[in-house]
Amino acid sequence: GAVVSQHPSWVICKSGTSVKIECRSLDFQATTMFWYRQFPKQSLMLMATSNEGSKATYEQGVEKDKFLINHASLTLSTLTVTSAHPEDSSFYICSARDRGRNLYEQYFGPGTRLTVT
Amino acid sequence: DAKTTQPPSMDCAEGRAANLPCNHSTISGNEYVYWYRQIHSQGPQYIIHGLKNNETNEMASLIITEDRKSSTLILPHATLRDTAVYYCIVRVDPGGYNKLIFGAGTRLAVHP
Repeated sequence: GAVVSQHPSWVICKSGTSVKIECRSLDFQATTMFWYRQFPKQSLMLMATSNEGSKATYEQGVEKDKFLINHASLTLSTLTVTSAHPEDSSFYICSARDRGRNLYEQYFGPGTRLTVT
Repeated sequence: DAKTTQPPSMDCAEGRAANLPCNHSTISGNEYVYWYRQIHSQGPQYIIHGLKNNETNEMASLIITEDRKSSTLILPHATLRDTAVYYCIVRVDPGGYNKLIFGAGTRLAVHP
């Protein structure tokens, strides 16, 4: 149990276009989901906290108009990278907290590798 | 949340115990110690957490010093599949958003 999926697993897009990444909790309800970004050989950097039915909370330095987050249901959060540029190329990872179970664990998705050409 | 310090890399022979240290000298009384690991190009995986007492589960053991200023994650019989980056994170009891802030971690290489 406690599986989180991401779609797509990888995507290549042209500079200036927008890309949407989905994060789904498959067998539990997630009131809170988190989005991270990871550059090669670096650690995960928290971008934002997403709560179902409300606006996301962004970490300092993360542009909310560029990284649009929507958490429309208890099992789905989406991250849209708008007007993507090569410097947005990164590994994007989501995680979710199971509101009905172990509050101590966060379950991570497998990640989405974005390449902007 | 308190800051943690971990060695950047460690090696371990397959079948031997891997002991990964973490320093968290500024930890406060209500902060938990969490360990996650990330295998290359995958999402992180929860390993174990603790507050004061030592903890053990099917994956690992967590030893926390009495003053709580440091801890050690023990993988009792490391396998090649345990090669990963291990993150030690200190944070307050979840009641709110359960935010995790990752540091640089320790890159563990298990070799035959």
